[in-house]
Amino acid sequence: GQQVMQIPQYQHVQEGEDFTTYCNSSTTLSNIQWYKQRPGGHPVFLIQLVKSGEVKKQKRLTFQFGEAKKNSSLHITATQTTDVGTYFCAGPQGGSEKLVFGKGTKLTVNP
Amino acid sequence: EAEVAQSPRYKITEKSQAVAFWCDPISGHATLYWYRQILGQGPELLVQFQDESVVDDSQLPKDRFSAERLKGVDSTLKIQPAELGDSAMYLCASSPFRSGRRTDTQYFGPGTRLTVL
Repeated sequence: GQQVMQIPQYQHVQEGEDFTTYCNSSTTLSNIQWYKQRPGGHPVFLIQLVKSGEVKKQKRLTFQFGEAKKNSSLHITATQTTDVGTYFCAGPQGGSEKLVFGKGTKLTVNP
Repeated sequence: EAEVAQSPRYKITEKSQAVAFWCDPISGHATLYWYRQILGQGPELLVQFQDESVVDDSQLPKDRFSAERLKGVDSTLKIQPAELGDSAMYLCASSPFRSGRRTDTQYFGPGTRLTVL
């Protein structure tokens, strides 16, 4: 079945450094969603990308959907301690609406 | 801001016992999901409802798991009997849109952390 791979699995940065996580799908995606899960919390929706090559920004967060719609990235500029958490990408499986989540990238930020 | 409610937040049980989790989605949301999240992994869909009907339960271990959403509002997920490998976070999510339209934003509840001893 469809797989969604995320790298890296863990990332530790100093506050103020940039951070990027990458998401790759084994199949073309109609759209991709990103979620953030704080330690001890639940996933919270960040954004959905639909168009090939789409780039969206939310303050210090930049999301990109690849031209082939098989990969995506999330970049955080100048990380802050509030960015700590696990970032998941998720894409619909095949022609269904079932979301397949990646294993996530766990970000820790050293103040 | 409306939220998805889940209870209990924590559950400790012994293997072979029965457990049940409850979820109340955001009012008006037609679609409800139950996910299982093992520590260090992403959420994995167990079952999806649209109103009171099951849309997808292909990943639900039906020999021991059951789920219902009788009136198309709140939902219950049951495990009987619980096994050691069932220890995980069980997340409920809801979405306002109906099946067949598009993959939409899912709003997650706080989850129930299950520990099976």
